[in-house]
Amino acid sequence: DAKTTQPPSMDCAEGRAANLPCNHSTISGNEYVYWYRQIHSQGPQYIIHGLKNNETNEMASLIITEDRKSSTLILPHATLRDTAVYYCIVRSPSGTYKYIFGTGTRLKVLA
Amino acid sequence: DAGVIQSPRHEVTEMGQEVTLRCKPISGHNSLFWYRQTMMRGLELLIYFNNNVPIDDSGMPEDRFSAKMPNASFSTLKIQPSEPRDSAVYFCASRIGSDTQYFGPGTRLTVL
Repeated sequence: DAKTTQPPSMDCAEGRAANLPCNHSTISGNEYVYWYRQIHSQGPQYIIHGLKNNETNEMASLIITEDRKSSTLILPHATLRDTAVYYCIVRSPSGTYKYIFGTGTRLKVLA
Repeated sequence: DAGVIQSPRHEVTEMGQEVTLRCKPISGHNSLFWYRQTMMRGLELLIYFNNNVPIDDSGMPEDRFSAKMPNASFSTLKIQPSEPRDSAVYFCASRIGSDTQYFGPGTRLTVL
């Protein structure tokens, strides 16, 4: 599975959009981009995933560049409860079952 | 729907004691994963079961660790004897097919 690169930390004002970038320049054609988050002391929580089209659900939006080498997770109206570590993972559904959790981005939402 | 259930949520034990962590996957899921999380090493996969059969245990640290899945609704991770370096948060996750993994709340283990 492709390696991902994320900034170690970001701040966001409450009520504003939080845009979390992820670089996956070695992604293969059949690999999906997954996003999880981990709120302090809790288990990782699935947020969203996508292949090449932009995706949106009740939690977030995922924007994947046309060349698929990077993506951005968007939390449209960040709240204090969105403070967490966000992990970007790339994997092939038909390939390894392993999720490689890197160090993620520690998002702090400020009041 | 109930998510992945883990017990106990917290465990404090003394070095040398046996520790058993338990996991109930989401009903209908046929794959189960055990992870360990520490500050130093982050989240690591310990073992993966598919249809109750261990497929990959290459992440199990040593022979002191063992895992079983006697049926589709229950799994255990046992450490015997436990050591202080085993202190960590242990997560169980499950999925159906090759779909998304869903994680439990974790068990925080402290070995004194």
